[in-house]
Amino acid sequence: AQSVTQLDSQVPVFEEAPVELRCNYSSSVSVYLFWYVQYPNQGLQLLLKYLSGSTLVESINGFEAEFNKSQTSFHLRKPSVHISDTAEYFCAVSSQGGSEKLVFGKGTKLTVNP
Amino acid sequence: DSGVTQTPKHLITATGQRVTLRCSPRSGDLSVYWYQQSLDQGLQFLIQYYNGEERAKGNILERFSAQQFPDLHSELNLSSLELGDSALYFCASSGGFVGGETQYFGPGTRLLVL
Repeated sequence: AQSVTQLDSQVPVFEEAPVELRCNYSSSVSVYLFWYVQYPNQGLQLLLKYLSGSTLVESINGFEAEFNKSQTSFHLRKPSVHISDTAEYFCAVSSQGGSEKLVFGKGTKLTVNP
Repeated sequence: DSGVTQTPKHLITATGQRVTLRCSPRSGDLSVYWYQQSLDQGLQFLIQYYNGEERAKGNILERFSAQQFPDLHSELNLSSLELGDSALYFCASSGGFVGGETQYFGPGTRLLVL
């Protein structure tokens, strides 16, 4: 079984500041890792994912996440946030070789203030 | 727009009643997933169908059932509703059951049980 822990339920930051949203996972098998974003009153959208290869993955809107196998972490970072990044961010895993179901963390609400 | 549609967007009903939530996957996607999002439990996987067959089951209550039809749309049936069933229900779809595939989420159905 897998579990995902997002250490911060809320992260307030000022516009143009850097941000890191933390995610740790637990699993007895190898996993794929995902970050999804949920804007108010909308469904979830994939931000980025790690399947294999380079441990640093990037999204088209400036976010990046690094897979750290020894620390079982997949933290999400952005060097300079915008007001429009205000949303809830969910870290998720699915097992390799098993069901494709996603196991989600509880989410981190990022609020970017002017 | 993810290409996944869900109806209705909102549903208000009473305890003990039965409701049906409908999902149309993206064109060409064969897998459909159902998730429940609530304040206390977060995002929880309920069930997955692939090309009409049940593929994986999560913590889905016995009062809940689902199916996927030949045209690949899916329905989630919730019966003997309780106050605690109030939640946002998401449908997601993906191409098949290849590990690490992106799941595309619909806008959700918000269910309120009074």
